[in-house]
Amino acid sequence: DQQVKQNSPSLSVQEGRISILNCDYTNSMFDYFLWYKKYPAEGPTFLISISSIKDKNEDGRFTVFLNKSAKHLSLHIVPSQPGDSAVYFCAVARAQGAQKLVFGQGTRLTINP
Amino acid sequence: SAVISQKPSRDICQRGTSLTIQCQVDSQVTMMFWYRQQPGQSLTLIATANQGSEATYESGFVIDKFPISRPNLTFSTLTVSNMSPEDSSIYLCSVTDPGQGNNEQFFGPGTRLTVL
Repeated sequence: DQQVKQNSPSLSVQEGRISILNCDYTNSMFDYFLWYKKYPAEGPTFLISISSIKDKNEDGRFTVFLNKSAKHLSLHIVPSQPGDSAVYFCAVARAQGAQKLVFGQGTRLTINP
Repeated sequence: SAVISQKPSRDICQRGTSLTIQCQVDSQVTMMFWYRQQPGQSLTLIATANQGSEATYESGFVIDKFPISRPNLTFSTLTVSNMSPEDSSIYLCSVTDPGQGNNEQFFGPGTRLTVL
């Protein structure tokens, strides 16, 4: 049973426009949410996170939105740049500081010039 | 942030053999994690490796198939035993920074394993 789902395996966006990546989870016990970015032949790198007490967290061009009632989070990148082309994983945890992360399947984002 | 290296970066192995993957961290960490990413799939936690105690395995993973060593606070190994083509995956180690108090994990570059 997939606890974390990223239903779009790929997304193509024009440079300068907004990229929106989506993630759904099934367990309301999850309390902390993260996004990772992965380039080919590299490990995932942490991008941004949000705890369940917030509904929005912004860091530069990256904003994560959390809708707890819908068990849905999204990552907005604006403006999108060619260097943003990568695979993006959402991950969830039972609590802030809890060690175990559950990952989604990933969405491959391609930014077109 | 922690800097993590893995050896080998990739390998092609024959069915029935075993491969040991090494993970080295540039600082002392309490917990290290081993993940598997099968083609087109998410990262799946195999086990948590604690220094001085046996590793804790997730459902579906057993010590006989994936023995783990954690001899000190900067190093761990994962062995993939008696390999079959289904073990073809990227294997990643990661660590957390307990001082941060968050869930951020730092990942190594991964080991791409192909089993023929």
